[in-house]
Amino acid sequence: KAGVTQTPRYLIKTRGQQVTLSCSPISGHRSVSWYQQTPGQGLQFLFEYFSETQRNKGNFPGRFSGRQFSNSRSEMNVSTLELGDSALYLCASSRSASGSNTDTQYFGPGTRLTVL
Amino acid sequence: AQSVAQPEDQVNVAEGNPLTVKCTYSVSGNPYLFWYVQYPNRGLQFLLKYITGDNLVKGSYGFEAEFNKSQTSFHLKKPSALVSDSALYFCAVRDMGQAGTALIFGKGTTLSVSS
Repeated sequence: KAGVTQTPRYLIKTRGQQVTLSCSPISGHRSVSWYQQTPGQGLQFLFEYFSETQRNKGNFPGRFSGRQFSNSRSEMNVSTLELGDSALYLCASSRSASGSNTDTQYFGPGTRLTVL
Repeated sequence: AQSVAQPEDQVNVAEGNPLTVKCTYSVSGNPYLFWYVQYPNRGLQFLLKYITGDNLVKGSYGFEAEFNKSQTSFHLKKPSALVSDSALYFCAVRDMGQAGTALIFGKGTTLSVSS
């Protein structure tokens, strides 16, 4: 079974631009979560989507948004990029069958975003 | 609020020796606990998890972890370290009463195994 895939793997943008990252979960997985990883703040939870609905949201400004499609694929968008948005953005999927919260999250390789 | 602490930024161990990477947690209810490993320029790989039952959990690549409720700890262990175990290790927690599968991660511990 294929793992979680994320595109693109690397991205360079300038301040003020906006960016869209994509995530395809493991087949059959209905929950997708996004995390930001930086050297200073570590791994921080952005948001989680389940059945096209945002189920949880971390403490990030409204410039960070996401969505999930009917095939469970997810995108996240960052508008008005700032230098501090430079990070590795990780997507994770889990089965989350029947809304269960015991499932393991499986991570993709990440998208490395650099903001100049 | 949920939180995870990994008190050591780095752990150094010689190949063949046992290793321990420490983790303590804080949740309002009962915890679900996870360990992940990250190699350079890669995503996180799942090692093991504690949901309920036996306090000693066995996982991938010979790793195991012991859940200790009274000490609110979930330390990762391996009887004999390999150079290839050198990586960044993350402990994570989820509150049993929480909706969804989002995780709170510790800051990570770099494991360095010398030959």
